[in-house]
Amino acid sequence: EDQVTQSPEALRLQEGESSSLNCSYTVSGLRGLFWYRQDPGKGPEFLFTLYSAGEEKEKERLKATLTKKESFLHITAPKPEDSATYLCAGRTGANNLFFGTGTRLTVIP
Amino acid sequence: DTEVTQTPKHLVMGMTNKKSLKCEQHMGHRAMYWYKQKAKKPPELMFVYSYEKLSINESVPSRFSPECPNSSLLNLHLHALQPEDSALYLCASSQGILNTEAFFGQGTRLTVV
Repeated sequence: EDQVTQSPEALRLQEGESSSLNCSYTVSGLRGLFWYRQDPGKGPEFLFTLYSAGEEKEKERLKATLTKKESFLHITAPKPEDSATYLCAGRTGANNLFFGTGTRLTVIP
Repeated sequence: DTEVTQTPKHLVMGMTNKKSLKCEQHMGHRAMYWYKQKAKKPPELMFVYSYEKLSINESVPSRFSPECPNSSLLNLHLHALQPEDSALYLCASSQGILNTEAFFGQGTRLTVV
């Protein structure tokens, strides 16, 4: 069964304290691994697409990486405005885009 | 511009009402999606349209009826909903249904009373 699992479920960081979020996937015929940010009551905001193992993408304080079994979202020196839920999603051979349960990140000033 | 516009932002409806959610994009995307999201849960796929044809229906009850009048518009018609259908309904679009990222609207917060 295709599955995307994220950990931890929730993460509290002090401002400036770097960390990583994990997304493990078991998807047959993966056609892309996607990271989104979602603020409460809003739609997910697209961050990154990763297609092949070894690929890396960066945007401001965020860096996403992909291996054959998992993806990491590294947050360097986070700020309070980085607080949000971060969602990982996989696109399958059936072209379904389905999501992990997310990591709720809180950055404390 | 990666904007997907959803209307209305909020909707309260009774169980006997008929209402519609609307979604619009002008990015030339040929795939459009409806997702349902309950509180503290990830979005769950409901429907996918590709080139204005329904390509995926995730066993959604018939009280939800999607419609794609043209390549820029996507509607979700609602009828005889239950209180448990209350959720955030998200529309998304992507260039195609293969290998491409989807962009989401801000959602419609639906409350069924």
